[in-house]
Amino acid sequence: AQRVTQPEKLLSVFKGAPVELKCNYSYSGSPELFWYVQYSRQRLQLLLRHISRESIKGFTADLNKGETSFHLKKPFAQEEDSAMYYCALSTDTGNQFYFGTGTSLTVIP
Amino acid sequence: DAGVTQSPTHLIKTRGQQVTLRCSPKSGHDTVSWYQQALGQGPQFIFQYYEEEERQRGNFPDRFSGHQFPNYSSELNVNALLLGDSALYLCASSLAWVTTEAFFGQGTRLTVV
Repeated sequence: AQRVTQPEKLLSVFKGAPVELKCNYSYSGSPELFWYVQYSRQRLQLLLRHISRESIKGFTADLNKGETSFHLKKPFAQEEDSAMYYCALSTDTGNQFYFGTGTSLTVIP
Repeated sequence: DAGVTQSPTHLIKTRGQQVTLRCSPKSGHDTVSWYQQALGQGPQFIFQYYEEEERQRGNFPDRFSGHQFPNYSSELNVNALLLGDSALYLCASSLAWVTTEAFFGQGTRLTVV
C-alpha cells in the first residue's frame, strides 16, 4: 500500500537560513511525487512536481528512488515561505493523491 | 475563472443526519476528486468521478457516496453522520484521470454534533 511520511509536524528556521522539509514514501509501483502548499487562509495549491524538475519560489525537490525520499529544499528561507507543506504521491492508476500529515514551516524574521 | 468552488463553506449537522456537499470544477476540467481532511491530518482520498461514474475509491464506507453531473459538477453525500465525520472536505478538479495537476477548492468545514 502507498504511504507518505512527513516526520516533522513543525519546523522553524530563521530568515535567510536553509530549509529542508522531509518526505519519505512507500509504493511498489512508479509514483509521481508532489509538494503542495497551503498559505494562511488560502487553498491548497501545487508547489512543484518531480517530473517537471522546476524550481518554484526558490524551492527544489529531488526524487531519490533508492531512499524513497522527496525532500523539499530552499537555500535561503523567506518570511513569506511560512505555510503548511504537504508531500503527496500519485499512483500510476489514476490521479488521486496520497498526502502526508504535513509540516508547518515558520520562518522567523 | 473562479477556479474550484465548493458550497457551503461551513455546515453543522446532528449525528445520524445526512449531508450533501457541492463542488464546481475549474473551467475545462472533467474529473472531480473528494478528500476528507481531519484536524491535524493530511487530506485523505474519498473517491473520484469522471464521465459521471465513480472511477476510484479510497478506504471509506458506503455511507459516503457521490454523483457527477453532465456539467462536471459533483456532490458528496454522507449518510448516518458520525461525530468522526467532522472534518474539512476538499474537492479537487483535474483534466482527465491520468496523473496531472489537481486544483483544490477552499473546502467545506463539516461539524457533526
